[in-house]
Amino acid sequence: SQTIHQWPATLVQPVGSPLSLECTVEGTSNPNLYWYRQAAGRGLQLLFYSVGIGQISSEVPQNLSASRPQDRQFILSSKKLLLSDSGFYLCAWCPIGVGEKLFFGSGTQLSVL
Amino acid sequence: TQLLEQSPQFLSIQEGENLTVYCNSSSVFSSLQWYRQEPGEGPVLLVTVVTGGEVKKLKRLTFQFGDARKDSSLHITAAQPGDTGLYLCAGENGNNRLAFGKGNQVVVIP
Repeated sequence: SQTIHQWPATLVQPVGSPLSLECTVEGTSNPNLYWYRQAAGRGLQLLFYSVGIGQISSEVPQNLSASRPQDRQFILSSKKLLLSDSGFYLCAWCPIGVGEKLFFGSGTQLSVL
Repeated sequence: TQLLEQSPQFLSIQEGENLTVYCNSSSVFSSLQWYRQEPGEGPVLLVTVVTGGEVKKLKRLTFQFGDARKDSSLHITAAQPGDTGLYLCAGENGNNRLAFGKGNQVVVIP
């Protein structure tokens, strides 16, 4: 069966520090991968999605970047965090060819202080 | 940007009562999904509706897709505390991107 792992669960970082959140998927190959941010009362905002290794699409301009160094690994990064980067970050995967049915990780609560 | 408006934003009911929440848009979607999210966790897919007018049942949960494929509703019969959560609707418009609503926060009081 397929599983998605996302870590860490909670992170407190000072303003200006770097960020690296990692997400891995097991039990499938060539999935579509996504990074979402969920702010209180604002729903899920799509940040990045990837249809293959090295292929990253950004949905909104921001202080973050994403990379996909391996087929089932998706990384969200920042060189210098801003206060506004605080939020609940969710990684998700979707099997290719079955429409957009997302399977989410358990999320990372990021607090930038 | 296609907006999905979910109403009510917050709903608190007693155990055993029925409830209905709504997801509305001015855009047409090729499919619409409902997810449930618990605090500190990722959303979990409940159902996907594809055909206008389609009705799907998942135990005590009934999902309906509008005839024009612009809106959907979720009805819970005899709500239980385990139904507590944030219900998110998401629409697919055919370009492989989902648009999410802000959610319906449901609290079922024992």
